[in-house]
Amino acid sequence: GQQLNQSPQSMFIQEGEDVSMNCTSSSIFNTWLWYKQDPGEGPVLLIALYKAGELTSNGRLTAQFGITRKDSFLNISASIPSDVGIYFCAGAISTGTASKLTFGTGTRLQVTL
Amino acid sequence: KAGVTQTPRYLIKTRGQQVTLSCSPISGHRSVSWYQQTPGQGLQFLFEYFSETQRNKGNFPGRFSGRQFSNSRSEMNVSTLELGDSALYLCASSSRTGGNYGYTFGSGTRLTVV
Repeated sequence: GQQLNQSPQSMFIQEGEDVSMNCTSSSIFNTWLWYKQDPGEGPVLLIALYKAGELTSNGRLTAQFGITRKDSFLNISASIPSDVGIYFCAGAISTGTASKLTFGTGTRLQVTL
Repeated sequence: KAGVTQTPRYLIKTRGQQVTLSCSPISGHRSVSWYQQTPGQGLQFLFEYFSETQRNKGNFPGRFSGRQFSNSRSEMNVSTLELGDSALYLCASSSRTGGNYGYTFGSGTRLTVV
């Protein structure tokens, strides 16, 4: 099945550092979503982007919807231990009566003290 | 407000058997989607239901089926289980379909086929 290209695949950073990850697609989406998944749990929505060029923040998280509508970026500032987890981007296209999410391959974030 | 509830949390089945997984969406949500998550293929869309009608379907064989009831609860069924069906099955609900809104996921059902 299709997955979006997400990079980096994994990151090991120190507490307090900033983090950047991105997601690219060969297809255009009209919505980009960013999720975080903890072990044994389902993904939790962090940020939703609905317009090309849109920049949205949620606390220490900032995400952008690329102008080409084929990419998105997520930044985490001043990382803390609870940021550990797997981050997924997801693109969505609406057909008017149905929608589905196409997920990225995930970025595994490890934070060391 | 209760979240998306999936039952059971864990399941072990034998190859060739069938299995039914259940999902109760957030109260008031009428759209339910199902996803399969495996280490190799990641998160893959199975199908979406809205008002008891399947609105969208992913690229899975016919052994995978689902339905939605009038109270928006949904079930998915996998017949003739194969070892490769071992996965975390996630259900997500949304207040509407046809629009690209953030879906709320349940904790999933971990299915192991032996």
